[in-house]
Amino acid sequence: QVQLVETGGGVVQPGRSLRLSCAASGFTFSHYEMHWVRQGPGKGLEWVAVTSYDGSGKYYSDSVKGRFIISRDTPKNTLYLQMDGLIPEDTAVYYCARGGGPGVPAAPFDYWGQGTLVTVSS
Amino acid sequence: DVQMTQSPSTLSASVGDRVTITCRASQSISSWLAWYQHKPGKAPKVLIYEASNLENGVPSRFSGSGSGTEFTLTISSLQPDDFATYYCQQYNSYATWTFGQGTKVEIK
Repeated sequence: QVQLVETGGGVVQPGRSLRLSCAASGFTFSHYEMHWVRQGPGKGLEWVAVTSYDGSGKYYSDSVKGRFIISRDTPKNTLYLQMDGLIPEDTAVYYCARGGGPGVPAAPFDYWGQGTLVTVSS
Repeated sequence: DVQMTQSPSTLSASVGDRVTITCRASQSISSWLAWYQHKPGKAPKVLIYEASNLENGVPSRFSGSGSGTEFTLTISSLQPDDFATYYCQQYNSYATWTFGQGTKVEIK
């Protein structure tokens, strides 16, 4: 069965960095685009970043562009989110989610992890 | 960017009630809309995709309709397991996936 497990969250001071990981299993990781989505305290879901199935295409929300980098390691079946220059507004539960597969131009996020909490505070 | 607006923000209902949630897009998104259910501490779960298609394993009391800019999620007979927050999401515009602000369904 498809599983996505996020790790790497924690408490970090403003301006510092953190790297999140998402270990994928139960499907052919290299065939799917992968996303990061976050939910701040008391807020709704916010899309953060996407990487294409082969890592050649990467897009970011305006709120994280220039500070976060999404990447993937196919042999390790792992998705990453490098977060630099963290600010208190980045405090959230971060989820990885699976997007479109082979030949699918538009798709919802059909599998999600349980999330990992990032707290940015001095 | 496409903005998604859900209403209401909170909905109080009883078991057995028929519940309808509305989602409006700031521009046409054809039928590229999904509905998710989210419970605290759990992973969000997709219920409906392409506006009206029921995801495998989702109970038939859930249904979706609409196209263009107006969409609805209906729960025909609310069950205890359905108390949660529901989000719509557009996936018409690649590189800008947008969620609605959410609708919390509470016990009346």
